[in-house]
Amino acid sequence: KNQVEQSPQSLIILEGKNCTLQCNYTVSPFSNLRWYKQDTGRGPVSLTIMTFSENTKSNGRYTATLDADTKQSSLHITASQLSDSASYICVVIPMFSGGYNKLIFGAGTRLAVHP
Amino acid sequence: DTGVSQDPRHKITKRGQNVTFRCDPISEHNRLYWYRQTLGQGPEFLTYFQNEAQLEKSRLLSDRFSAERPKGSFSTLEIQRTEQGDSAMYLCASSSGREGGTNEKLFFGSGTQLSVL
Repeated sequence: KNQVEQSPQSLIILEGKNCTLQCNYTVSPFSNLRWYKQDTGRGPVSLTIMTFSENTKSNGRYTATLDADTKQSSLHITASQLSDSASYICVVIPMFSGGYNKLIFGAGTRLAVHP
Repeated sequence: DTGVSQDPRHKITKRGQNVTFRCDPISEHNRLYWYRQTLGQGPEFLTYFQNEAQLEKSRLLSDRFSAERPKGSFSTLEIQRTEQGDSAMYLCASSSGREGGTNEKLFFGSGTQLSVL
């Protein structure tokens, strides 16, 4: 059973438009939730890190929200650019994981931004 | 460049051959991780080093897989008698270990893409 589910699996939007990606998780209790961006053929790069007590975190045009009650997170991308085309991966770290070795990754949402 | 570097970027091998990948973490990062990622999936944890000590291994790491970090700096991941199911992206990541806790940032390399024919 996947503990981190993301939707949609893939998404196509036009340049300049906004979009929202969803993440549902069952990991509990958890320490923090992260969003990563992964370009094709590259390693993931951290976008945001939110502890269980935070509701929102921004990084430029990326804004992540967290609702620990419903176990949902979203990543909102504003004014999309062609360079936003990538996979966006939601990651949850359990509370008593003892370190990063316990990162639990979602399968990602593949975003394509078209001109 | 002071990022995590992995070598080679791509490896094509025939089934049954042995392969070895190398990871150079960010200088002075004492934590090093190996992950495996298949197409359309998120990375899966393989193993974790604190300095030269291998502290945890996933069930995914069968006895054909071995990882080392002999001097606590670079690491190697070897796969013996490769199988087609080993085809994947092998990612290395490092973190400083100084900040402590679980909010510490993890930095990934660009990975080694393995194709087993």
